[in-house]
Amino acid sequence: DQQVKQNSPSLSVQEGRISILNCDYTNSMFDYFLWYKKYPAEGPTFLISISSIKDKNEDGRFTVFLNKSAKHLSLHIVPSQPGDSAVYFCAASGIGQGAQKLVFGQGTRLTINP
Amino acid sequence: KAGVTQTPRYLIKTRGQQVTLSCSPISGHRSVSWYQQTPGQGLQFLFEYFSETQRNKGNFPGRFSGRQFSNSRSEMNVSTLELGDSALYLCASSLRTGTTGANVLTFGAGSRLTVL
Repeated sequence: DQQVKQNSPSLSVQEGRISILNCDYTNSMFDYFLWYKKYPAEGPTFLISISSIKDKNEDGRFTVFLNKSAKHLSLHIVPSQPGDSAVYFCAASGIGQGAQKLVFGQGTRLTINP
Repeated sequence: KAGVTQTPRYLIKTRGQQVTLSCSPISGHRSVSWYQQTPGQGLQFLFEYFSETQRNKGNFPGRFSGRQFSNSRSEMNVSTLELGDSALYLCASSLRTGTTGANVLTFGAGSRLTVL
């Protein structure tokens, strides 16, 4: 039962353009969503989060959009830079006991081409 | 300030053996979580500890166990290893103590286990 899904295993974007990474979820009880970036041989690094009561959160070049009715969120990176090439994971957390764990998607490998 | 430290970084075991992985969280972080990453599966939650108590456990068999010490350091153990246990095991710590707000985890670099 994959509650958080990233349907695109990979994405290739030209440097300077916008990168859009997508994530879908099935559990309407999730109350926070987070994005992590992972380089090879390193642990995932937190990028940005959004509360389920918001529809947008922005931090520098990174913006996360949440569409609760569609159970969909997306991460926009503008402008894309070569250092953004990594695997991106979206994750969600619930409430109560579910708040102790993050449920991750399978990841999307982003490649930024010069 | 030092990040999350995991040891060993790489290890090779054979089927039937057992393994213990260690994690030192960021100083001041009392919550420690463990995740298993395999190709195509993303990160799967194993368990979470806070103040030496397991607060939540994922859907893994009883061969997977863990503990947390009074200094917040944590270990996880896998007994009777199977080929399918080959994975990257990630430890993460969090400053959050309750259940409100975003649970921002800081991950270590992981321990890559290969079972032959």
